[in-house]
Amino acid sequence: GNSVTQMEGPVTLSEEAFLTINCTYTATGYPSLFWYVQYPGEGLQLLLKATKADDKGSNKGFEATYRKETTSFHLEKGSVQVSDSAVYFCALSDLPSGGYNKLIFGAGTRLAVHP
Amino acid sequence: EPEVTQTPSHQVTQMGQEVILRCVPISNHLYFYWYRQILGQKVEFLVSFYNNEISEKSEIFDDQFSVERPDGSNFTLKIRSTKLEDSAMYFCASVPKDGNEQFFGPGTRLTVL
Repeated sequence: GNSVTQMEGPVTLSEEAFLTINCTYTATGYPSLFWYVQYPGEGLQLLLKATKADDKGSNKGFEATYRKETTSFHLEKGSVQVSDSAVYFCALSDLPSGGYNKLIFGAGTRLAVHP
Repeated sequence: EPEVTQTPSHQVTQMGQEVILRCVPISNHLYFYWYRQILGQKVEFLVSFYNNEISEKSEIFDDQFSVERPDGSNFTLKIRSTKLEDSAMYFCASVPKDGNEQFFGPGTRLTVL
């Protein structure tokens, strides 16, 4: 079945450091891929998404590229801030539109950024 | 900005008791979901709901679970007889007609003693 694997946390970085959180997936067909973020005490928020191979999703300085050849969707940010401290979830939906179908999540990666 | 709300934020119950978790999706959204996350584990899909009926459910969603949209605004998840292993964070989500994004609530932490 479809699944998502992401790197275990916590990831601890200093402010302005480069961030990579790895995410790989297993899916039949052509899934849509997502990164969700959960700030303390809040719900999951969509950070970015990509619906087909080679698409790059970007938002708030974060980027991820849909790589079909490596079945990956790694999250990157060039310079993290303390306010980026949160839990990041990689997810897939096995419909191209992404919205209507259930999401399959990775385990989440906690990021802690220190001043 | 409209948001999905969930109540209560934390529910503590005794094993065998019934619990109802409540969600108020964003107005005019058409598709509704429940997910759960057991501590330290993945967020798992439970059930999706559209047009007043279940459209898909997972293996977790057995006869002890039910969902309802009783009044056009609330969306509830009922667990009839809770077990220790039902302890988890439960998330509600809703999707607008264009289907571009699932909007999540802040979750209800359920603790079964």
